[in-house]
Amino acid sequence: RKEVEQDPGPFNVPEGATVAFNCTYSNSASQSFFWYRQDCRKEPKLLMSVYSSGNEDGRFTAQLNRASQYISLLIRDSKLSDSATYLCVVNAPNQAGTALIFGKGTTLSVSS
Amino acid sequence: NAGVTQTPKFQVLKTGQSMTLQCAQDMNHEYMSWYRQDPGMGLRLIHYSVGAGITDQGEVPNGYNVSRSTTEDFPLRLLSAAPSQTSVYFCASKPLDRGLRETQYFGPGTRLLVL
Repeated sequence: RKEVEQDPGPFNVPEGATVAFNCTYSNSASQSFFWYRQDCRKEPKLLMSVYSSGNEDGRFTAQLNRASQYISLLIRDSKLSDSATYLCVVNAPNQAGTALIFGKGTTLSVSS
Repeated sequence: NAGVTQTPKFQVLKTGQSMTLQCAQDMNHEYMSWYRQDPGMGLRLIHYSVGAGITDQGEVPNGYNVSRSTTEDFPLRLLSAAPSQTSVYFCASKPLDRGLRETQYFGPGTRLLVL
């Protein structure tokens, strides 16, 4: 099992749609979880951290299920500007607890 | 703050040539790392450092050397470039946080082509 697995995508949705991305991780000792966004030919940038209680930032909601080792990202009312690749990221406790392991990413394309 | 800077932005090498990818950060972050990103493979950790004088291997360290003589700089060296090292290289930094909440800031990347 790969350390971090994501929906393969791509997701093609119209403006205004709600879309959900899923991610599973293999190391039960992982303690930090994030969603990053990466635009074409650009560096990854933090979208939001994921907390055990779930957290929301505007149109974006992240959920964590530690028992199932599952992370999700929900985007409501999609905008054209949401088109990007979304990376699920967890920390790697077996590497001094500081290294981050990235999923391969899920591509979202929002069309008008 | 300039954040994380990388040079060069683009580079073409011939097989067997050596070069150094530069990375610098001005945020006084203890932790710095190098990733490579290939199509269909996602970001893979090459080397990382938790402070000056301390480095360690990541997932794909073969063919790369690093050193950390200062907090600010973390160069990545290719001693003998191979076509398999054609990739986009990202440097990243973050503060060390025992609570593991701190996330990483990435540089703009270096696109390397090895012929």
